[in-house]
Amino acid sequence: TQLLEQSPQFLSIQEGENLTVYCNSSSVFSSLQWYRQEPGEGPVLLVTVVTGGEVKKLKRLTFQFGDARKDSSLHITAAQTGDTGLYLCAGRRGNKLVFGAGTILRVKS
Amino acid sequence: GAVVSQHPSWVICKSGTSVKIECRSLDFQATTMFWYRQFPKQSLMLMATSNEGSKATYEQGVEKDKFLINHASLTLSTLTVTSAHPEDSSFYICSASGQASGPGPYEQYFGPGTRLTVT
Repeated sequence: TQLLEQSPQFLSIQEGENLTVYCNSSSVFSSLQWYRQEPGEGPVLLVTVVTGGEVKKLKRLTFQFGDARKDSSLHITAAQTGDTGLYLCAGRRGNKLVFGAGTILRVKS
Repeated sequence: GAVVSQHPSWVICKSGTSVKIECRSLDFQATTMFWYRQFPKQSLMLMATSNEGSKATYEQGVEKDKFLINHASLTLSTLTVTSAHPEDSSFYICSASGQASGPGPYEQYFGPGTRLTVT
């Protein structure tokens, strides 16, 4: 059983559409991070959220941390083909990161 | 920003041989390094955590005698896959966490990964 449930597992959309990826857990995390990974490369940190209810924006990406610090969401507005990749959420427990299963996003032109 | 490098980026070896993968933090001192394994289209699975100058802590199910980890300095950690077999073929990624001028306490920076293929 994954400590962090990520959904959907796979998403294929047209360029210009909006999408939301969810990351849920029954556990509380001191912080939660979102990464994007392309094939054959390491994950690249997008954002870290720390405070319950926190909302952070990174251009067309909006990240939200749940009030109880158990869940998070990533919303992409007007997706572009360059957004294609594997999106991973990761919660911090002590000095370790616990990763969700990942969401494979494919944006078609 | 903080940069983590890995070498080699890909390696092919024969079954039964050993392979060493290096992970370096280039512009900060990494007191803790992490090693992950990733299968195609799957998430990262933590294998072990290593602190500089001490023995690595392995996750449940990871054979410490097979995956030897050394963290001899604040900028270098190595993972040696001993007596490799085809099932060890995977993408191995290291991550480093530092202090002070390096990454903040909540962030880890990841290397580009090493693709290991055992024939």
